[in-house]
Amino acid sequence: SAVISQKPSRDICQRGTSLTIQCQVDSQVTMMFWYRQQPGQSLTLIATANQGSEATYESGFVIDKFPISRPNLTFSTLTVSNMSPEDSSIYLCSAPGQGLGETQYFGPGTRLLVL
Amino acid sequence: AQRVTQPEKLLSVFKGAPVELKCNYSYSGSPELFWYVQYSRQRLQLLLRHISRESIKGFTADLNKGETSFHLKKPFAQEEDSAMYYCALREYGNKLVFGAGTILRVKS
Repeated sequence: SAVISQKPSRDICQRGTSLTIQCQVDSQVTMMFWYRQQPGQSLTLIATANQGSEATYESGFVIDKFPISRPNLTFSTLTVSNMSPEDSSIYLCSAPGQGLGETQYFGPGTRLLVL
Repeated sequence: AQRVTQPEKLLSVFKGAPVELKCNYSYSGSPELFWYVQYSRQRLQLLLRHISRESIKGFTADLNKGETSFHLKKPFAQEEDSAMYYCALREYGNKLVFGAGTILRVKS
């Protein structure tokens, strides 16, 4: 398994500002993932954060809006830039557990409200 | 594109009744499917995966490739099973594609 923590757990932000969310894993992992869960909706993958290379973004998500850092094998950040109320969501990071073919484990999420 | 469909947003059953949460998928390769559960005020957690063929908390799910389904079943629902359930498909690159989720409400 993998134990994942996120900071902050929640925040209320003004439109036009940016928020950086941190994700820490208790073991070294090659890939980390960032998901968004909009109110009343399912999880949508934003990007895959690879250590040592640029993040890979899914369709509909761009680096300028959601820059990601991956400085080492246990840590990643996601920034939500130039926020608008439509960015109000829960943002989750995940990482696979140890072992071949292990499934993903999720952080507790960051609940973001943009006013 | 790979898709996961959970047709029911809400499933309400009485305690002790059987439960079946439906999940259908479309995938061009050999699918790997999971059920995740999110209890109130808790993080998303893995319930079971099809390759394990195990029963967790009394729940089972069988992959039916002919019907492209991975329904979650439990013979006797308990109140503590009330939660949001997500069916998910693993794509290349270890990415997960989630269904819309089904809220299970078990009434006493």
